[in-house]
Amino acid sequence: GNSVTQMEGPVTLSEEAFLTINCTYTATGYPSLFWYVQYPGEGLQLLLKATKADDKGSNKGFEATYRKETTSFHLEKGSVQVSDSAVYFCALPLYNQGGKLIFGQGTELSVKP
Amino acid sequence: EAGVAQSPRYKIIEKRQSVAFWCNPISGHATLYWYQQILGQGPKLLIQFQNNGVVDDSQLPKDRFSAERLKGVDSTLKIQPAKLEDSAVYLCASSLTSGGALSYNEQFFGPGTRLTVL
Repeated sequence: GNSVTQMEGPVTLSEEAFLTINCTYTATGYPSLFWYVQYPGEGLQLLLKATKADDKGSNKGFEATYRKETTSFHLEKGSVQVSDSAVYFCALPLYNQGGKLIFGQGTELSVKP
Repeated sequence: EAGVAQSPRYKIIEKRQSVAFWCNPISGHATLYWYQQILGQGPKLLIQFQNNGVVDDSQLPKDRFSAERLKGVDSTLKIQPAKLEDSAVYLCASSLTSGGALSYNEQFFGPGTRLTVL
């Protein structure tokens, strides 16, 4: 079946540290892949996306590359800020099932000054 | 442009009581989703509407949960009677449609309703 697995959190980093949050997926075919972010007290926001293999999505200094050979879509940022503290979700849209999203369990990131 | 609105933001009830949540999607969005997010887990789809018709309710516990979108705009999700395991954040999302180009499928989420069942 379709599923998404993320590295467990919480992740605590110092400001300006390098961030990697791992995400792997199981799906038929070559789906699009998303990263959503949930800031404290707010709804989920689409952070970045990739629609085909080898695509790199990027936004706000975050990047993720769609690797079909490893079925992965790891999120990276070269230098995190306190304002990046949030919960990050990797997601798989099922366009053959009405577009519903299959989410990973989420990874909480806390950045200390 | 106004985002997805949800109310209430927080609700505390006793088990076996009933509760209702309200969602107003972005104007013009045909597709509306309700997700349940249990603490420490990713959101899980409960029900999806296209206009006022149900597209997918396969994960909705129909013995206690119900949802409607009578005029194809706002929606209510009801739980009756509530159980302890229903404690979660209930997220509403909307998209322009559920088919077609990728850009039309982006889902926009409301802030959620945090339900605590005691």
